[in-house]
Amino acid sequence: DIQMTQSPSSLSASVGDRVTITCRASQIISSYLNWYQQKLGKAPKLLIYDASTLQSGVPSRFSGSGSGTDFTLTITSLQPDDFATYYCQQSYSTPPTFGQGTKVEIK
Amino acid sequence: EVQLLESGEGLVQPGGSLRLSCAASGFTFSDYAMSWVRQAPGKGLDWVSTIINSGGSTYYADSVKGRFTISRDNSKNTLSLQMNSLRVEDTAVYYCAKGGTSGREKRRFDYWGQGGLVTVSS
Repeated sequence: DIQMTQSPSSLSASVGDRVTITCRASQIISSYLNWYQQKLGKAPKLLIYDASTLQSGVPSRFSGSGSGTDFTLTITSLQPDDFATYYCQQSYSTPPTFGQGTKVEIK
Repeated sequence: EVQLLESGEGLVQPGGSLRLSCAASGFTFSDYAMSWVRQAPGKGLDWVSTIINSGGSTYYADSVKGRFTISRDNSKNTLSLQMNSLRVEDTAVYYCAKGGTSGREKRRFDYWGQGGLVTVSS
């Protein structure tokens, strides 16, 4: 199975900050990397797929980059609605696997 | 609008069985792979099972293989998960999730249900 490792596990940031979350795969997954946002008590929401493609309806302050084994989710100008937990997930092979999550909290 | 509505959640004793269902609407159900993903209390996301659009192929996490069975009824736009020999460690919120049509898109989850809590406890 491919292991996905996110860092950091949590971070504190202020509204307006630029936030970067990284995700590393234990083997090459090309660009088959997806990012999800999950708010407390809610279902996950797909933000970015194939490493850098924004899902329809997702604000442009979210962006993704990377390929191979190293990937990044960036939120420019953090908004109050963005405080949540973020997960990366590889769709390169079965079983699809998720990172452990990064909790973005209010500073 | 895509909607996925889970039902069948509940409390069951270890060794017992439970069947989850997911009613889909707002898209051509028979065109897309569907999956179940679970989340234990306070933990991360954990893929459980996937079924392709036709139902002809199914995939399972090692932790549930032989105990869980995924199925679909394309005439009723319904996805199901039959869970047998349940263990305490199966306690989680179970989400049904819509995948893509083929290839690696099957493993990308673009819409999720609201989730149903399955509690395995004596």
